Amino acid sequence: GNSVTQMEGPVTLSEEAFLTINCTYTATGYPSLFWYVQYPGEGLQLLLKATKADDKGSNKGFEATYRKETTSFHLEKGSVQVSDSAVYFCALSEGNQGGKLIFGQGTELSVKP
Amino acid sequence: GAVVSQHPSRVICKSGTSVKIECRSLDFQATTMFWYRQFPKKSLMLMATSNEGSKATYEQGVEKDKFLINHASLTLSTLTVTSAHPEDSSFYICSASSGHEVADTQYFGPGTRLTVL
Repeated sequence: GNSVTQMEGPVTLSEEAFLTINCTYTATGYPSLFWYVQYPGEGLQLLLKATKADDKGSNKGFEATYRKETTSFHLEKGSVQVSDSAVYFCALSEGNQGGKLIFGQGTELSVKP
Repeated sequence: GAVVSQHPSRVICKSGTSVKIECRSLDFQATTMFWYRQFPKKSLMLMATSNEGSKATYEQGVEKDKFLINHASLTLSTLTVTSAHPEDSSFYICSASSGHEVADTQYFGPGTRLTVL
């Protein structure tokens, strides 16, 4: 079946450090890929998405590129801020599943000043 | 745009009682709504998918008689936890999709923290 695997957290970085959160997936067909972010005490927010191979999603300084050859969608940011501290979820959706999302286990990011 | 609300945000109830959680899409019509359960420091587990005017589709292992879902309109879905027990304590999150966007992007509510005593 379809699945998403993320690197385990927590990830602790200093402010202005470079961030990478790895995400790989297994899917039949051609899924769309998403990163969602959950700030403490809040619901999930869509951070970025990509719908086909080689697409790059970007938002708020975060980027992820849909790599079909490596079945990956790694999240990157060049310089993190304390306000980026949150849990990040990678997810996939296949159109024939009625929009159903399959989530990775989440990666907690803590950014220290 | 694309705001989803949930009510209540927190609820504490006694074991054996039923609790209803509402999920509303405030500025769009949601053809499909999803209900998730999230355990502490764990990923989201999809419980069921509901389409307006039809019965919900439950994921394997989710008791449909315990978790009643009603998607009565294009802006409202409700989840009722019947005869709640302490093991039902969790964070319940809904999401909504208009079905008109590329990749059927889901917009999530802020979640409801249920505590069963």
